Amino acid sequence: GNSVTQMEGPVTLSEEAFLTINCTYTATGYPSLFWYVQYPGEGLQLLLKATKADDKGSNKGFEATYRKETTSFHLEKGSVQVSDSAVYFCALSDRGSQGNLIFGKGTKLSVKP
Amino acid sequence: GAGVSQTPSNKVTEKGKYVELRCDPISGHTALYWYRQSLGQGPEFLIYFQGTGAADDSGLPNDRFFAVRPEGSVSTLKIQRTERGDSAVYLCASSFTEAGELFFGEGSRLTVL
Repeated sequence: GNSVTQMEGPVTLSEEAFLTINCTYTATGYPSLFWYVQYPGEGLQLLLKATKADDKGSNKGFEATYRKETTSFHLEKGSVQVSDSAVYFCALSDRGSQGNLIFGKGTKLSVKP
Repeated sequence: GAGVSQTPSNKVTEKGKYVELRCDPISGHTALYWYRQSLGQGPEFLIYFQGTGAADDSGLPNDRFFAVRPEGSVSTLKIQRTERGDSAVYLCASSFTEAGELFFGEGSRLTVL
C-alpha cells in the first residue's frame, strides 16, 4: 500500500543553520506530495505542496522538489530561525482530493538561538 | 472565530463509555475530514464528508466509530464502547472544495482510562 517515511527526530539546530528533513514515499500512480507543519499549540497547516514530478513547492523560505526517480520529497531551508521550531509532517494523496492524506510520523525540529 | 473549531479540547472517559466529539468547520467549506493521531504517529484518515454525505469512510477502524454531518456544516464523531486503544488526538479539517487546501482544527484529545 501507499506509505510515507520521513527521518526521525528530534532534530536540533542552531539559528541560521541549514535544514534538511528527508521524506520518501511509496505509491502507485502519480501522487501529490505535501509538507504540513504544526507549531506548538496550533493545528496542522499546509506548508507547501507539489502535484507532479519535478515540481518545486516553496513557502516561507522552505523548499521541496518532487523527485519521481528517487520517490523523494525532502524539505530544505537555507537558514532556520527559532520561530521554525515545530513538528513537520510529509504526506501524500493519491486521489483527486487533497483530503485523504497519508502522513509520515512527523519530525520535531528545535532551533536554538 | 474564522478557523476550524473542535470541542471538547480534552476528554477523559472510562473504558466502555460513549463519547461524542464535535467539529465546526470554516463557514462555506463543503468538505470535512476526520483524522486520528496517536502518540508518536502521523494523522490517520478516518472519514470524509462532501456536504451531508460520507464520501469515503474507509478509514473508520470498526463499527464502534460513526460520524454524522446532518446539515452539511457541523460534524460529530461518535465512539461507542470506548477502549483504551482509542486514546488519541482526533483532528478535524475542512476545505472549500474537495480539491482544496485543508484547514485543520487543534484537535480533541481523548483519553480512555
